[in-house]
Amino acid sequence: EPEVTQTPSHQVTQMGQEVILRCVPISNHLYFYWYRQILGQKVEFLVSFYNNEISEKSEIFDDQFSVERPDGSNFTLKIRSTKLEDSAMYFCASSDVTSGLWEQFFGPGTRLTVL
Amino acid sequence: AQTVTQSQPEMSVQEAETVTLSCTYDTSENNYYLFWYKQPPSRQMILVIRQEAYKQQNATENRFSVNFQKAAKSFSLKISDSQLGDTAMYFCAFMTYSGNTPLVFGKGTRLSVIA
Repeated sequence: EPEVTQTPSHQVTQMGQEVILRCVPISNHLYFYWYRQILGQKVEFLVSFYNNEISEKSEIFDDQFSVERPDGSNFTLKIRSTKLEDSAMYFCASSDVTSGLWEQFFGPGTRLTVL
Repeated sequence: AQTVTQSQPEMSVQEAETVTLSCTYDTSENNYYLFWYKQPPSRQMILVIRQEAYKQQNATENRFSVNFQKAAKSFSLKISDSQLGDTAMYFCAFMTYSGNTPLVFGKGTRLSVIA
């Protein structure tokens, strides 16, 4: 069964450093999303992406964040200058337009720790 | 803006018993989707069950069923014959009917199944 994959599973970085979180969505899906979950809190939407551009973003998704689909398979989230409060679990998700089900399939997440 | 409320931070149930998790939401939309996601200790987000608001019939997936009360804006999850593997965080989520929109999550209910 196809699944969303994310790498790395755990990333540790120093405050102020840039990080890139990688996701491979399910191959025939066209909508991609990033969510984050700070430890012990609810899952929050960051950004959605369709047709090579951002379709929606939350107020969390400020200028420090960017997304890219560099090739036909990867979908990345970049944080330019990490802050302590960026420590969280980051989930990538994708959904299929054609099925009409609109289910978002989640990857296993990347745990980001900013020291 | 839509909001999702889960009023039970933690619940426990004996193995083989039935448990119901509560969820209420607020929206001005008439058509939308509702979901229950399970997040086990591995932190992967797994879709448990979905409900389209235009369908009057409550969704069922094996041991999992929902009680969808549209007028009351209530969407509870019933787990029958609870198993140890059901131990997880459960998140209720809302999505507007256009489909490619962000999921709005509740804060979650931590369910413990006790042997």
